[in-house]
Order: sequence, then C-alpha cells, then structure tokens
Amino acid sequence: AQSVTQLGSHVSVSEGALVLLRCNYSSSVPPYLFWYVQYPNQGLQLLLKYTSAATLVKGINGFEAEFKKSETSFHLTKPSAHMSDAAEYFCAVRNNMNYGGSQGNLIFGKGTKLSVKP
Amino acid sequence: GAVVSQHPSWVICKSGTSVKIECRSLDFQATTMFWYRQFPKQSLMLMATSNEGSKATYEQGVEKDKFLINHASLTLSTLTVTSAHPEDSSFYICSAWTDTSSRPTDTQYFGPGTRLTVL
Repeated sequence: AQSVTQLGSHVSVSEGALVLLRCNYSSSVPPYLFWYVQYPNQGLQLLLKYTSAATLVKGINGFEAEFKKSETSFHLTKPSAHMSDAAEYFCAVRNNMNYGGSQGNLIFGKGTKLSVKP
Repeated sequence: GAVVSQHPSWVICKSGTSVKIECRSLDFQATTMFWYRQFPKQSLMLMATSNEGSKATYEQGVEKDKFLINHASLTLSTLTVTSAHPEDSSFYICSAWTDTSSRPTDTQYFGPGTRLTVL
C-alpha cells in the first residue's frame, strides 16, 4: 500500500524567506508524486509532478521539488516566499498502474498550511 | 489546460432531502472522473471512481446507496447525496483525466469543489 506523510500541518515564513514543505512517501513500487495547492474554498491546482524522469522537478509559481529515493522524500521548496503563496499544500502519490495498481487514483497527505508574514 | 467545473459551488439543504452535484469537463472528454470528500482542515479522501458508461467503483466505507454516482457522458458525472444528514456536510471535489490519460503519469484536473451544508 502507498501512503504520504506531510511533516508539519502548519508552516509560517516571512515574505522573502525560503519555503520548505516536507513530504515523505511509502510505496512498494516506483511512485509518481504530485504537489497540489489549494486556496480557500477552491479546488486543487497542480504545482508539479514527478514521473520517474528528472529527479529535480520545476513547477509553477517558482516552486520546485526534488525526488530522493534514498530518503523516500519529495520536499517542496521555493527560494523566496510571496504573500500570494499563502495556501494549503498537498503532497500526493499515485498508484502505479504499470505495476498492477488499480485506476491510478491519488493518495493525499494531510496537507500543510503555509502562512506568509509581511 | 483542461478545465473542470462543478455546480453548484455551494448548497444548503434540509436534512432528509437529496442534493445533486455536477462535475463537467469543459474542454476535454473524461472517461474517468474521481469524487473526493474533504472535511474541514483535513485532506481529500477518495469516495469513488466514476467510469463513463459503467458503474462507479466505491472506496471501502462509502455507502453506494447514499452517494449515487452517474457518469452518463464523457463530459459529465453527477454525485447525488440521498437523504442528506448533517454529518454529510462537507466539501466535495471532483477530478478528471483526459481521454488520452492512458499513462499513469498524466495529471488529474480538479474542479473547484462544492460545499454542502445540511441543516
């Protein structure tokens, strides 16, 4: 079975500071990993995804994440936080259908709320 | 990019009534749609997988008779909460794959969600 753990339900940074949101996964097969952002009362928007190509993945809004197999991690970073980055961030792993998984639905972490202080 | 819409965006209903939520893929055909439920300050939990022209596949613990899913066309899936009760109050979100999503690397596109409040 696959699972995702997001360390820290709430992260607060100052505007201009580094953003680091942690995600660790558990998977018996090579995973496909995703980061989504959710603004209040809205759906989810894809930030970036890892699909077994380059381990450093660049996404929208200046975010990037690095897949580290040895650490089973996929942490999300941004060099300089902006006020508009304040939102809820979800890490997710996808069933890998190439290895017999079903449907490929997403399994989400519990989310990390990012606050940005002026 | 692919756009998924949901209607209504919010709904308030009385206990015992039924509520229908629509999920539409606006600019692509979606053979597979997913329905998620999100409780306040919690993550998304997959409720069911909806396949066009066939019965939905429900996750363990989800009552199929209470949460009726219909995927009648390649652009529309509906979730009907039957005989709603206050504990059904939640944020319901759908997502969809494009019809070219035969590879597991493809992205799910999410709707904006529907907030259901049952009085």
